[in-house]
Amino acid sequence: GQQLNQSPQSMFIQEGEDVSMNCTSSSIFNTWLWYKQDPGEGPVLLIALYKAGELTSNGRLTAQFGITRKDSFLNISASIPSDVGIYFCAGQLNAGGTSYGKLTFGQGTILTVHP
Amino acid sequence: EAQVTQNPRYLITVTGKKLTVTCSQNMNHEYMSWYRQDPGLGLRQIYYSMNVEVTDKGDVPEGYKVSRKEKRNFPLILESPSPNQTSLYFCASSGGWGSGANVLTFGAGSRLTVL
Repeated sequence: GQQLNQSPQSMFIQEGEDVSMNCTSSSIFNTWLWYKQDPGEGPVLLIALYKAGELTSNGRLTAQFGITRKDSFLNISASIPSDVGIYFCAGQLNAGGTSYGKLTFGQGTILTVHP
Repeated sequence: EAQVTQNPRYLITVTGKKLTVTCSQNMNHEYMSWYRQDPGLGLRQIYYSMNVEVTDKGDVPEGYKVSRKEKRNFPLILESPSPNQTSLYFCASSGGWGSGANVLTFGAGSRLTVL
C-alpha cells in the first residue's frame, strides 16, 4: 500500500523556538491532513489541505500541500509547553469520486518542548 | 457532546482468550474504522466500515474481526489474541461522504496487553 515517510521522528526544543516537520509519499494524494495526539488521548485534527500548493494557517500552525501532491509540511511558531505530543500527517487519495475517510498515516513526530 | 467512546481503555489478557473492544459514536456517522498504533509505525488501519453491514479489510486485518450491525457501534473482536497484538487501539468515525468526510474523529484509545 501507500507509504508515508514523516520526519523527524522526534524533536527536543526550547520553549519559543519554531518547529518544522514534513511528510513525503511514494505516490500522490489529493488531501493532506495534520493531526496532533496529546498524551493519553486520541489524535485530533489540526489542519486539512485539499488543494496542491495550498498554504493554510491555524493560529501558530501553518501547513502546506506540496505542488507535486507527494509531500506536505507543518510549521509551529513560537512553541509553548502545551505543544508537546505526537504529530501525524495523513494523506488520502479519493477513489471513484467518493471520499470515505480512508487515510494513510505517517509514523509520527514526537515533540518535546522544554520550558 | 459529539464523541467516539471506546471500552475498555486498558486491558491485560492472556494468549488465546477471546476479547472484544467496543466502539460507539453519537454523530450518526456512516464511516467507522479501527487503527492500531505502535512505536515507529504510526497508525495502521485494521478494518473499516462504510455503513451498516458493510465492512472491509484495512492494511493489517490478520487476527481481527469486526461487525457493523448498527450504525453507531463497531466492535473489534480478537478471537484468539496473541502477544503481537499488544498495542494501542483507536476507533474513529467520519461523515463518510462529501467534503470533510476524511475528518476522522478518534476515540481516546484502548491499550491492550496480551501476555
